[in-house]
Amino acid sequence: GAVVSQHPSWVICKSGTSVKIECRSLDFQATTMFWYRQFPKQSLMLMATSNEGSKATYEQGVEKDKFLINHASLTLSTLTVTSAHPEDSSFYICSASWASGRANTGELFFGEGSRLTVL
Amino acid sequence: KNEVEQSPQNLTAQEGEFITINCSYSVGISALHWLQQHPGGGIVSLFMLSSGKKKHGRLIATINIQEKHSSLHITASHPRDSAVYICASSRGGKGAQKLVFGQGTRLTINP
Repeated sequence: GAVVSQHPSWVICKSGTSVKIECRSLDFQATTMFWYRQFPKQSLMLMATSNEGSKATYEQGVEKDKFLINHASLTLSTLTVTSAHPEDSSFYICSASWASGRANTGELFFGEGSRLTVL
Repeated sequence: KNEVEQSPQNLTAQEGEFITINCSYSVGISALHWLQQHPGGGIVSLFMLSSGKKKHGRLIATINIQEKHSSLHITASHPRDSAVYICASSRGGKGAQKLVFGQGTRLTINP
């Protein structure tokens, strides 16, 4: 079946550094990918919608200059947390929807998630 | 009030019991998703449904569009079913649309 791969699965970094997380659709083309954040014991929150070849759409309250999203190809979207601070420590997860020609089923596939800890 | 509400928030049961998790949503949707999140964080999509009922193995999902309500049932529950189950609504066309998530139900099945 369709697989979405996310890397790295966990990362620890110092405050002030930038961290890049990759989300790849391995066997299908994803014109749209979604980035979510999940704090401990809380539900997923959509951060942004990543569109191939165009600018990402950010949800209210998400700083686009802090969370840079690049969707340069149909199989890869990246999320860069710039100048990370301890409050950015969270579980970040991406999802992609399978689009096959005109028949977009809407079914979602999720990456394995990336646990970020900022010291 | 959240757009998507789940109940219960926590559920503990014995192996073999029949499990029901409920989800209510407040606005019209194009589809309702049931997701399973494992302790490590990984998420698996269980069902996507817009009407009626779907079954996959021991899992059954139903939706009532008029009542804006969906249920996830697990028959003959097993400890490996222990996870957080999340319902999420999506709106708009069949294109890759955004999800609104419920708070999740933490299910623990004891042997």
